[in-house]
Amino acid sequence: NAGVTQTPKFQVLKTGQSMTLQCAQDMNHEYMSWYRQDPGMGLRLIHYSVGAGITDQGEVPNGYNVSRSTTEDFPLRLLSAAPSQTSVYFCASSYFGTSGSYGYTFGSGTRLTVV
Amino acid sequence: GNSVTQMEGPVTLSEEAFLTINCTYTATGYPSLFWYVQYPGEGLQLLLKATKADDKGSNKGFEATYRKETTSFHLEKGSVQVSDSAVYFCALSDRLSADSSYKLIFGSGTRLLVRP
Repeated sequence: NAGVTQTPKFQVLKTGQSMTLQCAQDMNHEYMSWYRQDPGMGLRLIHYSVGAGITDQGEVPNGYNVSRSTTEDFPLRLLSAAPSQTSVYFCASSYFGTSGSYGYTFGSGTRLTVV
Repeated sequence: GNSVTQMEGPVTLSEEAFLTINCTYTATGYPSLFWYVQYPGEGLQLLLKATKADDKGSNKGFEATYRKETTSFHLEKGSVQVSDSAVYFCALSDRLSADSSYKLIFGSGTRLLVRP
């Protein structure tokens, strides 16, 4: 009963490097999303997906790409890392249409530092 | 747009003290309201929720009542323990589009420290 699994847990990147943060869920949730958490700012939505093959932008999408080729996986790509992307990243999922009432299941997070 | 405002932290209490963490919201329509808790080094866990006005959510001794007249959802606990030390986030659901998908809008979080 894994829930939402994020890898890696920690990562240090140099400015300009690219990388992919992995997110997988085993609950057959249609809806998946990525948030970033910064001190004093709560969580802000980066990208989301309502099903395989469908993605859309959230509040802070610049510098990030996503794709959703399967229901289970929703990777987040940093194309050219910048120090402003230093943050803790959370993946979350829910059943389609019920997140309004039931909320999300969150992964344990990826702490990213860009130097 | 819809938003959530939480009291600034940290909130420092002695064990067995009464806890209140204030949360107010701005929203059109009738969103569901949530409290999430984040323990050190972990992700967010749903603590409790309320889906309509006057509903009371409760879990692990925590309670919050959906007050539409004051647009509030304050978190309370009668007697806190050291193990309650964490960051608490208030959130509301916001419809993303007409296809019924939702996003959560979070407050900035309130850190609670409980001393023995």
